[in-house]
Amino acid sequence: EVQLVESGGGLVQPGGSLRLSCAASGFTFSTYRMHWVRQAPGKGLVWVSGIVTNGDIKNYADSVKGRFTISRDNAKNTLFLQINSLRDEDTAVYYCATTPTNSWTPFQYWGQGTLVTVFS
Amino acid sequence: QSALTQPASVSGSPGQSITISCTGTTRDVGHYDLVSWYQQHPGKAPKLIISDVTKRPSGVSNRFSGSKSGDTASLTISGLQADDEADYYCCSYTTSATLVFGGGTKLTVL
Repeated sequence: EVQLVESGGGLVQPGGSLRLSCAASGFTFSTYRMHWVRQAPGKGLVWVSGIVTNGDIKNYADSVKGRFTISRDNAKNTLFLQINSLRDEDTAVYYCATTPTNSWTPFQYWGQGTLVTVFS
Repeated sequence: QSALTQPASVSGSPGQSITISCTGTTRDVGHYDLVSWYQQHPGKAPKLIISDVTKRPSGVSNRFSGSKSGDTASLTISGLQADDEADYYCCSYTTSATLVFGGGTKLTVL
């Protein structure tokens, strides 16, 4: 059974940093592209970032470019998102999701999300 | 990158059909046949229901179908059931090598 389990969310002040993790199991992690998608409370889904299977190519939404860094450890079946210079508008549930080996779409499997709350 | 445009809400009675539109531009929906649709129940993770405009993943009911014309994609749900009540999101790949979601549509089954 495919499982994606996010962790690392929490309460953080503006300007602070967090590192989110997504532990994968039940499938061959290294053969899937991986993504982060976020959802602010009561709002819609927003794509944040994606990374190819070997980590060589990383794409970001304009709103997070320069502040967020996506990475992966295929030996540990884990996806990461380093979030720096946090802003109020970064408050959201952050989901990790998979896409096929050679495509940026569709998001086939999703985790249950981890909540990041930025407060001052 | 601006969000794709979806109606905020739609409604229908059990057994009826509804259609949700998703309007983008020539840089996303109109450029690629890479539109997907997701269903999200309250407090749950999204679930893929349509990929590549028209493809239905294994296990998804054939009551769900997708189409596209120009810059607008559509999701049709036929034979509405109570459990179809949820939020629905479209998503498209873009010419900037990013992905963009629609604002979401709340479906109410009357």
